[in-house]
Amino acid sequence: AQSVTQPDIHITVSEGASLELRCNYSYGATPYLFWYVQSPGQGLQLLLKYFSGDTLVQGIKGFEAEFKRSQSSFNLRKPSVHWSDAAEYFCAVVGSGNTGKLIFGQGTTLQVKP
Amino acid sequence: GAVVSQHPSRVICKSGTSVKIECRSLDFQATTMFWYRQFPKQSLMLMATSNEGSKATYEQGVEKDKFLINHASLTLSTLTVTSAHPEDSSFYICSARNTGGKTEAFFGQGTRLTVV
Repeated sequence: AQSVTQPDIHITVSEGASLELRCNYSYGATPYLFWYVQSPGQGLQLLLKYFSGDTLVQGIKGFEAEFKRSQSSFNLRKPSVHWSDAAEYFCAVVGSGNTGKLIFGQGTTLQVKP
Repeated sequence: GAVVSQHPSRVICKSGTSVKIECRSLDFQATTMFWYRQFPKQSLMLMATSNEGSKATYEQGVEKDKFLINHASLTLSTLTVTSAHPEDSSFYICSARNTGGKTEAFFGQGTRLTVV
């Protein structure tokens, strides 16, 4: 069965520092992978996605992620974090059967120190 | 990107009453919509897959008679929480998949349901 693991429940970084949020997936075929961000009490906003092609994908708000098949990972990165980036981040993979059903990781809470 | 509108954003209801939540795709057609439930500080749990013109597919452990889903058109799905109880209080989020596009899903703003 497909699954997504975000090993870090909570991360704190200083404003201006670089950020990497980890995501590991379990999926037999080529996965469709996503990173979403959620502010408190809000829905989810898509940061970026990977379907195929270039394994380094660029997203909105200065985020990027790299798909590494050998490591079954899709880590999210940002070179310089802004205070407004504080939020909950979810990695997700589309389940089998092309139903569009998303399987989410547990989420990582990002706190940004001034 | 595509817009999904969810209404209401917040609702408070009394125990035993029913509450309807709407999910609309505003600028695209969605044959498939998804309903998730999110508990505080937790991830999203898929409740059901809503298919236009047919019955919804519920995930294991989700009571279909309690969480009624209707997907009557290509732009609207509704979730009705019937005979609500305090333990049904949660954050409910819908998402819609563009019929003609890839498997990207767009999310509504969520509905905070409080049952008192």
